[in-house]
Amino acid sequence: DSGVTQTPKHLITATGQRVTLRCSPRSGDLSVYWYQQSLDQGLQFLIQYYNGEERAKGNILERFSAQQFPDLHSELNLSSLELGDSALYFCASSVEGLRTDTQYFGPGTRLTVL
Amino acid sequence: AQSVTQPDIHITVSEGASLELRCNYSYGATPYLFWYVQSPGQGLQLLLKYFSGDTLVQGIKGFEAEFKRSQSSFNLRKPSVHWSDAAEYFCAVGEEKGAQKLVFGQGTRLTINP
Repeated sequence: DSGVTQTPKHLITATGQRVTLRCSPRSGDLSVYWYQQSLDQGLQFLIQYYNGEERAKGNILERFSAQQFPDLHSELNLSSLELGDSALYFCASSVEGLRTDTQYFGPGTRLTVL
Repeated sequence: AQSVTQPDIHITVSEGASLELRCNYSYGATPYLFWYVQSPGQGLQLLLKYFSGDTLVQGIKGFEAEFKRSQSSFNLRKPSVHWSDAAEYFCAVGEEKGAQKLVFGQGTRLTINP
C-alpha cells in the first residue's frame, strides 16, 4: 500500500458524459501527478500540481482539467468523453515534486467509456 | 525529448532462473532513471532508482540495475526469480528540466514458468 488513495476504482459511463476522478496523496506529500495508461499510448504523464499550483503539463487534452485543493487532494475532470478515453488513470504523489523525489502511485481508476 | 525503449514486450523465464530486463534511454544529460513494477490490478511500485554515483543500484525484492552511460542502458536484473515476480515492469526517465515528470517505456510483461 503506497498511501495514495484513488476513488472510484472503476467507472463506467457513456460517450459525451463528464466524470471526476479523485486522489488523496500520501500524508505530507505536496505534489500530485496524474498519468493515463492505455493499450495504445502506454503510460503518459498528464499534469502535475504542487501545493495547489499547476507545475507541469503533459499530453493532457483540453477536455480534461485538474485541480489540487487546499487539503492537497486532487481531482481530474474528464468531459465530453470519447471511447478512446477508456484507460487506467493513475495518481501519484511525492514530497516536493523534485526530480530526485520518488513518485508513489495509487491503485488507479479504471474508466470505461461505452 | 527524452524517450525510453524496452525492447522486450514479453519475457518468460522459469522459476529460479536469472532475469535481465532491458531498458535503453535517450537523454541529453545525466538521466534520472527508475524501474517500477505493476502487478495485476495494482498501481506501480518503485523497485529502484538511479541519480548519480555508483552505477550498480540495489533495489527492493532482490532486484538490481546497472547504469551504463556508453550504452544508454539501465537494465534490471535478478539472480533468481520467484513466481511472485510475475508482473509488468516499467523503465522510466525523469524529465530533464522543470518539474519532475516521468517518461515511461512501453513495459515488459514477465511470465514465470513453474
